[in-house]
Amino acid sequence: AQTVTQSQPEMSVQEAETVTLSCTYDTSENNYYLFWYKQPPSRQMILVIRQEAYKQQNATENRFSVNFQKAAKSFSLKISDSQLGDTAMYFCAFCTSGTYKYIFGTGTRLKVLA
Amino acid sequence: DGGITQSPKYLFRKEGQNVTLSCEQNLNHDAMYWYRQDPGQGLRLIYYSQIVNDFQKGDIAEGYSVSREKKESFPLTVTSAQKNPTAFYLCASSIRVLNTEAFFGQGTRLTVV
Repeated sequence: AQTVTQSQPEMSVQEAETVTLSCTYDTSENNYYLFWYKQPPSRQMILVIRQEAYKQQNATENRFSVNFQKAAKSFSLKISDSQLGDTAMYFCAFCTSGTYKYIFGTGTRLKVLA
Repeated sequence: DGGITQSPKYLFRKEGQNVTLSCEQNLNHDAMYWYRQDPGQGLRLIYYSQIVNDFQKGDIAEGYSVSREKKESFPLTVTSAQKNPTAFYLCASSIRVLNTEAFFGQGTRLTVV
């Protein structure tokens, strides 16, 4: 079975601090992509960052970066210099070349405190 | 502007009635998806379609039906057989290339009373 596990239902961080959201996944495929999505209170899903499974280099997008550990099937998201606008639900997901379907985790609700 | 449109944003139905949620995209995407979002359970895949006139069951297809007669449209029918239909429903689409993300509509909140 293909699954995504996010073990932190809720987290909080002080504004300007750094926070890391955890994600582990399980798949027998070798060719896949990993994603982090943000869902703010508007409930619109927004892509934050993506990672190619065959690339060892961790992806970065401005204040967002990932720590991808393929052998451990771990894909954590680090948010640096947290801002109030980062308050949202964050979902980890992956997509494999076999089915082209996106499998999501249960989400982590992040609250940035002023 | 290109995008995915879900309608309506809020939908109320009486128990025992079938209801159809609309999803239209003008992104020329081949693949379309329906997810259900419940508190604490994340996004669960209901049905997905990779090409016109073909679709596959996701993890929670029971009580739902879909059609894919046109590339742009992927309506979801919530039937009376769905035991707990009240939820937030998200439609998404993507091109069938591995390194691309799924794009989402704004969702439909269905409440069955």
